[in-house]
Parts: sequence; structure tokens; C-alpha cells
Amino acid sequence: ETGVTQSPTHLIKTRGQQVTLRCSSQSGHNTVSWYQQALGQGPQFIFQYYREEENGRGNFPPRFSGLQFPNYSSELNVNALELDDSALYLCASSLSTGRNTEAFFGQGTRLTVV
Amino acid sequence: QQQVKQSPQSLIVQKGGISIINCAYENTAFDYFPWYQQFPGKGPALLIAIRPDVSEKKEGRFTISFNKSAKQFSLHIMDSQPGDSATYFCAARLSGTASKLTFGTGTRLQVTL
Repeated sequence: ETGVTQSPTHLIKTRGQQVTLRCSSQSGHNTVSWYQQALGQGPQFIFQYYREEENGRGNFPPRFSGLQFPNYSSELNVNALELDDSALYLCASSLSTGRNTEAFFGQGTRLTVV
Repeated sequence: QQQVKQSPQSLIVQKGGISIINCAYENTAFDYFPWYQQFPGKGPALLIAIRPDVSEKKEGRFTISFNKSAKQFSLHIMDSQPGDSATYFCAARLSGTASKLTFGTGTRLQVTL
């Protein structure tokens, strides 16, 4: 186990609704990244948070937003859900933004939008 | 624009055989190349990683070969076992970033008895 935990594990939402996914990073890790993994695809980088600040963003619209808290846990919020948002959402934590660090993933949250 | 290309899409290997998965990248600013293993319903698990100043790295049955001039790297799984059946992703990370990874499209490996 990586020590990265995500909740909930599964979620079903209706198109147009809003959703919040949560991630607890590995102890001591101060950087959290979120990824979207569509079925049969590789994970796609959404954004990264370092010390409560967004520190890089992938090609995702503003309705994807996030937060990082003082204990380095994080939330991913998605507004105005679309059918194409159905995917496995992964959280990865790492020690810092430095060179010598590894990223460890949680088990993911499976989001289904109907 | 896909920056990390992975092949093959799927692979069937007999138990005891060698599994080989290849990746190619475009951005020379990448400075760290991990491989992840993912089982159904689970998150990716870090398997092995290499930096471009090293041509080969071996950990147990898993070896990464890296060719900087060709911008290619590959994963070799020696003595493949049924328990290795999973999806494998190569990835690349830009210099100065922690967990901002660019992933390949994945290879589904099946090891048969």
C-alpha cells in the first residue's frame, strides 16, 4: 500500500451536478497531483498542488478545481458534470517539487456520470 | 499532442518468457522515466524508474533500458509470471516537477501458463 487514500471509491452522479473527491496524501508528502484516467487510457494530468498553491495545470477546463489543506490533504471539485467526465480519478502524492522524488498513487475514485 | 508513445497495446507471453514494452518520447526536457503497473480497479503502482544519465537499471526481474539519443526506453520483464498480468504504463516527468507525469497509453500484458 502507498499510504495514499482516496474517498469515495465509487460515485454515481447526474449530468450537470457537482462532485467533490478527496485525497489523503502519504505522511510527510507536501505535493499532490490529480489525474483523470478514462477507460483503456493512460492517466491524464489535471493539476498539482504544492503547499496549498496550484503548481501546474493540464489541459482541463476551469470547472475542474482543487484545494490543498494545511495537512496536505486535497480535494478535486468538478462542476457541471458531463458524461465524458466518467473516469477513474487518481491522486498522487510526493515529497516535494524537487528532482529526487517519487509519486505514489491512491486506488482512485471511479466516477460515473449518467 | 501525445508526448509519450507506447507499444504494443497488448502482449501475450508464455510463463517464463520475456515481456518487452517500448516507449518513445519527444520532449528532451524530461528527466525521469518511471514505469507503473496497474491491476484492474487499482491505482498505478511504481515499478521501476530511470534517469537519462543511466543506460540500464535492473531491479529483480524488471529491467529498464534507456537510449537517450533515440529518445526511447523499454521495460523488460524476465521470467514472466501469471501474476505479472496487468496493464503497464511508461511515463515521463519534466525537470523540476514532482508528480506531473505524462503517461503512455498502456500495454495490457497477459502471461499464460
